[in-house]
Amino acid sequence: AQKVTQAQTEISVVEKEDVTLDCVYETRDTTYYLFWYKQPPSGELVFLIRRNSFDEQNEISGRYSWNFQKSTSSFNFTITASQVVDSAVYFCALSEGFGGATNKLIFGTGTLLAVQP
Amino acid sequence: DTGVSQDPRHKITKRGQNVTFRCDPISEHNRLYWYRQTLGQGPEFLTYFQNEAQLEKSRLLSDRFSAERPKGSFSTLEIQRTEQGDSAMYLCASSVGTDSSYEQYFGPGTRLTVT
Repeated sequence: AQKVTQAQTEISVVEKEDVTLDCVYETRDTTYYLFWYKQPPSGELVFLIRRNSFDEQNEISGRYSWNFQKSTSSFNFTITASQVVDSAVYFCALSEGFGGATNKLIFGTGTLLAVQP
Repeated sequence: DTGVSQDPRHKITKRGQNVTFRCDPISEHNRLYWYRQTLGQGPEFLTYFQNEAQLEKSRLLSDRFSAERPKGSFSTLEIQRTEQGDSAMYLCASSVGTDSSYEQYFGPGTRLTVT
């Protein structure tokens, strides 16, 4: 069965600290996608990144970076030099397969990040 | 380019009443998804449409729930005889492609409170 686990329920950091959000997934498929979404207090889910199961290269986008390791079934998200605007709930999600499949997203329970000024 | 829109943003209803929510996806997006999110949880898949065809429904979607997407454009989600357990945020998402290489864009959600 597919499952996404985000063990960290809440994290509080002080501005400018680095913070890593953990994500562990389970799937029996060899073809799948992993996602991170941000949900600010306004409630709308904002897409951050998508990785497919064949690409284990780490990715960096500004202050954001992602580490995908198939050996440990993990897809961790690091924010460098955190800012107050980063405060939100962050969700990791999994989707299986290619064309024709449902491609529904299986979400973790989310990590609430609070960045204090 | 406007994003996914949902209406209403908030709905308060009494137990036993029927409610209907609307979702307008991003233009040209042929896939439309409905999810439900309760407090402290991640969104859970309810159903999805490929154009006007409803192709999958979750077990979470009881007989009291029905969704439509006439003409493959906007979609409606109706809940009949609402129960307090239906209180949640109902999220709509759309994507342009038919596989996971296309991300889903989410609307702001409709928050339902059943009293």
